[in-house]
Amino acid sequence: NAGVTQTPKFRVLKTGQSMTLLCAQDMNHEYMYWYRQDPGMGLRLIHYSVGEGTTAKGEVPDGYNVSRLKKQNFLLGLESAAPSQTSVYFCASSFLEFGAFFGQGTRLTVV
Amino acid sequence: GENVEQHPSTLSVQEGDSAVIKCTYSDSASNYFPWYKQELGKRPQLIIDIRSNVGEKKDQRIAVTLNKTAKHFSLHITETQPEDSAVYFCAATPMNRDDKIIFGKGTRLHILP
Repeated sequence: NAGVTQTPKFRVLKTGQSMTLLCAQDMNHEYMYWYRQDPGMGLRLIHYSVGEGTTAKGEVPDGYNVSRLKKQNFLLGLESAAPSQTSVYFCASSFLEFGAFFGQGTRLTVV
Repeated sequence: GENVEQHPSTLSVQEGDSAVIKCTYSDSASNYFPWYKQELGKRPQLIIDIRSNVGEKKDQRIAVTLNKTAKHFSLHITETQPEDSAVYFCAATPMNRDDKIIFGKGTRLHILP
């Protein structure tokens, strides 16, 4: 039972490049989330999904897009990366709103 | 939308003493309040949670209290140990409303020898 798995773990992008972060969970959870973590800013919600085929904006959605085509996967896309998007990204999933389980994180650097 | 304030941002306590972290929330519809612990370089992990129909919950050295009227909840750690050093996050969400989990900014807890 892997829980929540994020791919990749590390990535360096040049300004303007695009990339997709993949989150996969094997717990049959309905809810999935993408957060970014910056020093002193805590965990800020980017986008979330309450079920397959649904997505919604969080606190800091600008510059990101998401898709939830399959229940077990939640993709986060950066169409044109900017240095301000340098951060650690965490995916999480939960049964309804109860007790979210987090992935191991993706450290993204945009130069 | 929900807004969660967490205090203090940094807390240092002597080993063996107690630590208290406080959070306030704005959305009166919030009724589920989890707490997460994040050790350096690792992912946040759920350590305890409380629902609005309960005023207090304990799990060994950790306890959470909730005051719905005042819209604040607290994490209490007794007999602190070195392994309690970490960043702690509170969160709030209204259950069964297809809504999101909003986190506080975190408290860095240092346990001093």
